[in-house]
Amino acid sequence: EMVMTQSPVTLSVSPGERVTLSCRASQSVSSNLAWYQHKPGQAPRLLIHGASTRATGVPARFSGSGSGTEFTLTISSLQSEDLAVYYCQEYNNWPPSTFGQGTKLEIK
Amino acid sequence: QVQLVESGGGVVHPGGSLRLSCSASRFTFATYGMHWVRRAPGKGLEWVATIYYEATKKYFADSVKGRFTISRDNSKNTVYLQMNNLRAEDTAVYYCAREFLQVPGLFDYWGQGTQVTVSS
Repeated sequence: EMVMTQSPVTLSVSPGERVTLSCRASQSVSSNLAWYQHKPGQAPRLLIHGASTRATGVPARFSGSGSGTEFTLTISSLQSEDLAVYYCQEYNNWPPSTFGQGTKLEIK
Repeated sequence: QVQLVESGGGVVHPGGSLRLSCSASRFTFATYGMHWVRRAPGKGLEWVATIYYEATKKYFADSVKGRFTISRDNSKNTVYLQMNNLRAEDTAVYYCAREFLQVPGLFDYWGQGTQVTVSS
């Protein structure tokens, strides 16, 4: 069974900070890794797919890296509208697909 | 802009049934795989079910297999999730999502969700 582990669970941040979120897979998922942003009451939004490809319309301050089992989502300069829960998801062994438990960004 | 709107959520007793609907617009619905994903209170996202455009290819998470069914009506641009024998652990917000074209298991657009509460 695939397990996706995100760290940290919660991160207190200030606007303008550089933010790094981590995602670890229990077995290799190659580059079949996505990141989603989810704000309360809104639809989740695809940010990154293929581990490092920004989805359409996603600002350049969001970047993804990694392959195999270790992945990172970086926000180069946090904006207030970036406060949300971020999920990683592997789709290498589809079906099924497995999400991480999420990392919540909150105001410091 | 792609639009997905879920409906049909509510409160139901354990063992009961609900049917969720997801109405799609602003894209060629019939050519896309469609998914249901849920988020239980205090937990992360969980993929639930998938149906491809042929409607013969369907997949389910082990947690719902045998209790949930998925269907689609391409003439109405709508996908459905029939949930039977509901349990407390099925309580969640249920999201409809579109599959990224030709990338199985990747979801590019989502709806805002509909709440399902299973409680006695």
